[in-house]
Amino acid sequence: GENVEQHPSTLSVQEGDSAVIKCTYSDSASNYFPWYKQELGKRPQLIIDIRSNVGEKKDQRIAVTLNKTAKHFSLHITETQPEDSAVYFCAASGYSSGYALNFGKGTSLLVTP
Amino acid sequence: GAGVSQSPRYKVAKRGQDVALRCDPISGHVSLFWYQQALGQGPEFLTYFQNEAQLDKSGLPSDRFFAERPEGSVSTLKIQRTQQEDSAVYLCASSPEQGTNQPQHFGDGTRLSIL
Repeated sequence: GENVEQHPSTLSVQEGDSAVIKCTYSDSASNYFPWYKQELGKRPQLIIDIRSNVGEKKDQRIAVTLNKTAKHFSLHITETQPEDSAVYFCAASGYSSGYALNFGKGTSLLVTP
Repeated sequence: GAGVSQSPRYKVAKRGQDVALRCDPISGHVSLFWYQQALGQGPEFLTYFQNEAQLDKSGLPSDRFFAERPEGSVSTLKIQRTQQEDSAVYLCASSPEQGTNQPQHFGDGTRLSIL
């Protein structure tokens, strides 16, 4: 089945700096890659997603890039703010993994003022 | 409109008891998913419904776990003879369409603690 690796597990940046979180996946048939933000005790919140027919997608301060050949995708947050502090999860899915989203283990992002 | 609603938010049970967790998906959403999230980990898939049909239950860890969605809306996840390793947050998600490549919207989860 699909295996998603996520790095780093923790990331600390100063307010205003950029943050980058990277994920790799194992199944070349995966074709949908969402990113979720989860604050402590709250629901995972979809922040951006990308499909395999697109290499990059942006939404204000957030962008995701996908390299299908290398089987990796990354989340980029620019001009970070303290309210960006949370755990971020990447995920992958595709026909061969059934209906499941396969999640990475998460990155705990801390943005210090 | 309202998001995915789960109840109870917290559940404490003694080992060996049965528990039932409820999920109210976003109205009209065809797809419904259950995930288990252990502390410090990402969610892990349990089962998937398309309307009332359970199309994938490959993630259910044992036959003590059972899920249903009899009318294609509300879903219940039941765990029989609970064990300590069942302690986790159980998340429900829904999606407006069928298939694997659609955004899934999560509820706040039920935090289950087995004593």
